Amino acid sequence: GQNIDQPTEMTATEGAIVQINCTYQTSGFNGLFWYQQHAGEAPTFLSYNVLDGLEEKGRFSSFLSRSKGYSYLLLKELQMKDSASYLCAVSSGGFKTIFGAGTRLFVKA
Amino acid sequence: EAQVTQNPRYLITVTGKKLTVTCSQNMNHEYMSWYRQDPGLGLRQIYYSMNVEVTDKGDVPEGYKVSRKEKRNFPLILESPSPNQTSLYFCASSISGPREKLFFGSGTQLSVL
Repeated sequence: GQNIDQPTEMTATEGAIVQINCTYQTSGFNGLFWYQQHAGEAPTFLSYNVLDGLEEKGRFSSFLSRSKGYSYLLLKELQMKDSASYLCAVSSGGFKTIFGAGTRLFVKA
Repeated sequence: EAQVTQNPRYLITVTGKKLTVTCSQNMNHEYMSWYRQDPGLGLRQIYYSMNVEVTDKGDVPEGYKVSRKEKRNFPLILESPSPNQTSLYFCASSISGPREKLFFGSGTQLSVL
């Protein structure tokens, strides 16, 4: 079967660094996405990895290891507005995208 | 402004009463898709469309229908809604397919009584 696992909840302190992990088992792989979703709102795109390695975009970085079926999203200099759910998603081949259940991040002062 | 417009934002209905949730995008995207989001389950794909008149089932298509008569519109139809279809629904589009980032509509919270 196809499966994406990520932690349900995480808590971190304002100004700190947090790493959200994602492991996946899918029948195919055409890339991995991270989306941010604030409560009651639509998901918005954060990052895309298709090759192994680290992609950096401002305070956000995403890492991929295809051989290990593993990715992480790194958030630096945390701000209160970063409190949200973070969704890991895999383009699994064909025309499908499979989403993990999401990680709810709480940023405390 | 580039966007995916979804309506209505909230909908309460009763079992068996046919309803349609509309979705429209103004970005000339080829690919459109419908998802439902339930607590603890994440986003699950209902149907997708690669282009006009080309649609296919996702992972949870039972009880739903779609059509793609025009490139910009991709309505979701529930012909006989049931309480287990109570959920938060999102329409999304991308330039050419699932290898591209998705742009999401603002969501429709549906309650079937």
